[in-house]
Amino acid sequence: EAAVTQSPRNKVAVTGGKVTLSCNQTNNHNNMYWYRQDTGHGLRLIHYSYGAGSTEKGDIPDGYKASRPSQENFSLILELATPSQTSVYFCASGDEGGQNTLYFGAGTRLSVL
Amino acid sequence: QQKVQQSPESLIVPEGAMTSLNCTFSDSASQYFAWYRQHSGKAPKALMSIFSNGEKEEGRFTIHLNKASLHFSLHIRDSQPSDSALYLCAVSMGTGNYKYVFGAGTRLKVIA
Repeated sequence: EAAVTQSPRNKVAVTGGKVTLSCNQTNNHNNMYWYRQDTGHGLRLIHYSYGAGSTEKGDIPDGYKASRPSQENFSLILELATPSQTSVYFCASGDEGGQNTLYFGAGTRLSVL
Repeated sequence: QQKVQQSPESLIVPEGAMTSLNCTFSDSASQYFAWYRQHSGKAPKALMSIFSNGEKEEGRFTIHLNKASLHFSLHIRDSQPSDSALYLCAVSMGTGNYKYVFGAGTRLKVIA
């Protein structure tokens, strides 16, 4: 099965600090995504990418940056973390062919104090 | 902007019952429709997907899609306690636009 690995799994940050969430996939998928999950909101798309060097804004990009330096790696960057960014973050990769099924990592639980 | 809504928000059914979950979307040009299941504390995992109007069955699970009504649904036959999870529907515009928008989810509990 497709493998997506996120790090760290848990993170506590201070308000105003910089946070980087990392994601690595070994599926050779072109598409990668960052979602956040909060109770009552399901999964909300922050940024996504169609390949190395490309990033696209999702539905809630404010306060977040993304970086796709290679096919395998996709990072989410919070330059100035705020308590409202406390959430569970999921990275996913997807293949373009067929069903474009998304394969999710295990998630990163971020608390901003 | 695509809006995806699910109903009901939560559901409790007895073991062996038929469970029906609903999803509506706002953009009639949508092409890909999928259901994901997320057990507590775990990552979402793809369950089933459909691309054309009609019905698709895989084991105890069936998807119905009606694009004209902007609606698709998931039906679980003979529901089991192991089916207890958060069910998320997802919609994508398809080829050239692989952005998936998710609903808020339906939390299902199957009691033995």
